[in-house]
Amino acid sequence: GAVVSQHPSWVICKSGTSVKIECRSLDFQATTMFWYRQFPKQSLMLMATSNEGSKATYEQGVEKDKFLINHASLTLSTLTVTSAHPEDSSFYICSARDRGRPSYEQYFGPGTRLTVT
Amino acid sequence: AQSVAQPEDQVNVAEGNPLTVKCTYSVSGNPYLFWYVQYPNRGLQFLLKYITGDNLVKGSYGFEAEFNKSQTSFHLKKPSALVSDSALYFCAVRDGSGAGSYQLTFGKGTKLSVIP
Repeated sequence: GAVVSQHPSWVICKSGTSVKIECRSLDFQATTMFWYRQFPKQSLMLMATSNEGSKATYEQGVEKDKFLINHASLTLSTLTVTSAHPEDSSFYICSARDRGRPSYEQYFGPGTRLTVT
Repeated sequence: AQSVAQPEDQVNVAEGNPLTVKCTYSVSGNPYLFWYVQYPNRGLQFLLKYITGDNLVKGSYGFEAEFNKSQTSFHLKKPSALVSDSALYFCAVRDGSGAGSYQLTFGKGTKLSVIP
């Protein structure tokens, strides 16, 4: 089946530094990838949609200069949290859509736990 | 705009008893409906989906869900709960009419606790 990986699975960084999270589709080509943020005991909030080779589309209220998304290939999207602050601490989950499968199928990564101290 | 409501923050059920996790939705076009399960510090695992066809959908781990168009509901059910079913469950919807993007909208989640 379709597998999506995320790296790292958890990361701790100091306030003011930047952190990059990778999302990879391991056995399929993902034309579209989605980035979600999940606060404790809350639902997933869509942050942005990234399409391979084009700029990401950010949801209202998400700072594009703070959450940089790059989708340079059909198997890799990255989310960079720039100048991280403690309020950016969260669980970040990506999902990917297989270009060879129906559009309603999304495959989720295992998530990345970011803690900013 | 599309939305999902999961009216219960938590559902407690005894092991071996049937379980139901409720979900209602709102979408302008035809609904594509999904259930996902999340274990602590893990990503989402797909359980089942309704796209078209039979209103009763069977999925992974013995779960099923019934699509009810008139009540705009898609409740998740299982005839006999297991302790290992204890997790966080999310209902999600997408507009299947083709308008807009492929975005899923999630409910806030329901924590299921199965008591031994």
